[in-house]
Amino acid sequence: DVKVTQSSRYLVKRTGEKVFLECVQDMDHENMFWYRQDPGLGLRLIYFSYDVKMKEKGDIPEGYSVSREKKERFSLILESASTNQTSMYLCASTQGGSAYEQYFGPGTRLTVT
Amino acid sequence: GENVEQHPSTLSVQEGDSAVIKCTYSDSASNYFPWYKQELGKRPQLIIDIRSNVGEKKDQRIAVTLNKTAKHFSLHITETQPEDSAVYFCAASMGRRALTFGSGTRLQVQP
Repeated sequence: DVKVTQSSRYLVKRTGEKVFLECVQDMDHENMFWYRQDPGLGLRLIYFSYDVKMKEKGDIPEGYSVSREKKERFSLILESASTNQTSMYLCASTQGGSAYEQYFGPGTRLTVT
Repeated sequence: GENVEQHPSTLSVQEGDSAVIKCTYSDSASNYFPWYKQELGKRPQLIIDIRSNVGEKKDQRIAVTLNKTAKHFSLHITETQPEDSAVYFCAASMGRRALTFGSGTRLQVQP
């Protein structure tokens, strides 16, 4: 069974703080993704990675950065959190190519006050 | 880039009725179209997918149809049950490009 885990289920941070969200998958998947989910907007892609140390911007990368130092781990970084980054963040992974099932983590509900 | 539109945003049906959710996409090069189901408080999970070389695919009570000419695809759920109540997302992609998701449809099946 593929397992994708995220470091926190709920997180509360203050405006201006640096925030790290971590995602780990245990199936040796090449591809990893970070989405944010907001009501009525679906899942919007922030960043994705096809390989270690490789990253590509998604549709809404502004205000975010990522790090992939190891194949199993993909981190999302909010350099200076803002209230408009309050959202549900979902990590996903898949084997080579996007045309395969994406396995999602449980999500992190981030609130920025 | 790809743009996926999904309708309706909410759908309420009586148990046993059919439900249909429709999506359109903009990039004619897209060739993979999955559907994900997200139950309340849970992570999205793939329920069915279709590739552009196929026009229809069925899995028990769920079917997906694809019209490449019109650039739209639909999810059909027959004999709906209360456990089908969830948010459903369509998506599209091509090759190594990441999925682009629709905005979601909240399906409520009334017992």
